Amino acid sequence: GAGVSQSPRYKVAKRGQDVALRCDPISGHVSLFWYQQALGQGPEFLTYFQNEAQLDKSGLPSDRFFAERPEGSVSTLKIQRTQQEDSAVYLCASSDDVGQFFGPGTRLTVL
Amino acid sequence: QKEVEQDPGPLSVPEGAIVSLNCTYSNSAFQYFMWYRQYSRKGPELLMYTYSSGNKEDGRFTAQVDKSSKYISLFIRDSQPSDSATYLCAMSAASGGSEKLVFGKGTKLTVNP
Repeated sequence: GAGVSQSPRYKVAKRGQDVALRCDPISGHVSLFWYQQALGQGPEFLTYFQNEAQLDKSGLPSDRFFAERPEGSVSTLKIQRTQQEDSAVYLCASSDDVGQFFGPGTRLTVL
Repeated sequence: QKEVEQDPGPLSVPEGAIVSLNCTYSNSAFQYFMWYRQYSRKGPELLMYTYSSGNKEDGRFTAQVDKSSKYISLFIRDSQPSDSATYLCAMSAASGGSEKLVFGKGTKLTVNP
């Protein structure tokens, strides 16, 4: 595709439910990043992949957050036992080693 | 103190005005500086990418980096209503493909017709 795509665009979860967010990067981009953007804030780094290797997961806020990219292309961010503080927009970006190009994000609301 | 500081505004200007947006930072390791534009309910869109100090111009947009002062700016000339968006500064110590970006909070800009 022409850009980074993410699905679903919107997700409403009840507290305690597990959710899975998908990212399809730009074809051929080796690097993939996940960010969390709270309302009125800039994006904050969660984790980074180079191909299928997760090289940095220092931004994941708790062990309820897990990300994978098993074949070095599509990535999934999973949040277990969601809490209200997890409500945010989750952004995926892929890189051509110059800039990072973002998808539209998944807006997660935890009730 | 956050690594990157950005005045959130909001900033409201008339059409045709010159807009100045800026960020300060504390981490001297930052070498790559970016400006993103984010429309409501959309992902950030890369506008400008610069390395180290200096100026870069692209159409109506000019990015400036002053590493000695740890200060970066984005200027928009002849602003248009379509420029109304939130502008995010971002920076990293390595090029964009190999390291996380650290963002400012974003400045919300409205250009009034």
